[in-house]
Amino acid sequence: TQLLEQSPQFLSIQEGENLTVYCNSSSVFSSLQWYRQEPGEGPVLLVTVVTGGEVKKLKRLTFQFGDARKDSSLHITAAQPGDTGLYLCAGGNAGNNRKLIWGLGTSLAVNP
Amino acid sequence: DSGVTQTPKHLITATGQRVTLRCSPRSGDLSVYWYQQSLDQGLQFLIQYYNGEERAKGNILERFSAQQFPDLHSELNLSSLELGDSALYFCASSVALVAGGELFFGEGSRLTVL
Repeated sequence: TQLLEQSPQFLSIQEGENLTVYCNSSSVFSSLQWYRQEPGEGPVLLVTVVTGGEVKKLKRLTFQFGDARKDSSLHITAAQPGDTGLYLCAGGNAGNNRKLIWGLGTSLAVNP
Repeated sequence: DSGVTQTPKHLITATGQRVTLRCSPRSGDLSVYWYQQSLDQGLQFLIQYYNGEERAKGNILERFSAQQFPDLHSELNLSSLELGDSALYFCASSVALVAGGELFFGEGSRLTVL
């Protein structure tokens, strides 16, 4: 069974701090997505990474896919209250199993 | 606004009852996914339909069923409800059939079973 473990589960920081959250698995994925979910809403896609070692930047957010395509990290620079939310990673595989495998998420609170 | 519409937003019902959740996907999206989200289990994939046909099944209970209609909207039927079925139910849609494509989520239907 493929699993994605996210850490930390909860994170509360002050505005302006930097942070990194992790998404780890013992399985290889052909793609990995990061979503952010705000209270009362559905998850919204932030990024998809598909190549081992790939780094993608989205303003203050930096996403990295591990070389072996088993893990990923999300680094936020100078966090802002608007970054508050649940960050979910989801791994995908080509082939017969087309279901995304989801982590439980990291709940981030950025305090002003 | 993701373009995915779910109704109802909130639903309170009693154990043993049956409810139907409705989802209209984004215009042009052929794939519809249903997810259950609870605090302890996270986002659990239930089932996927593509252009009216069931394509993938996840952790969907036998008491639950779904279908996708010719106009591509989908319904999730939950029957013989139990307290543990209380959760947020999300519908998502995508253009593609395969994993790795972007999923667009609705705002969810919050089900409370008393």
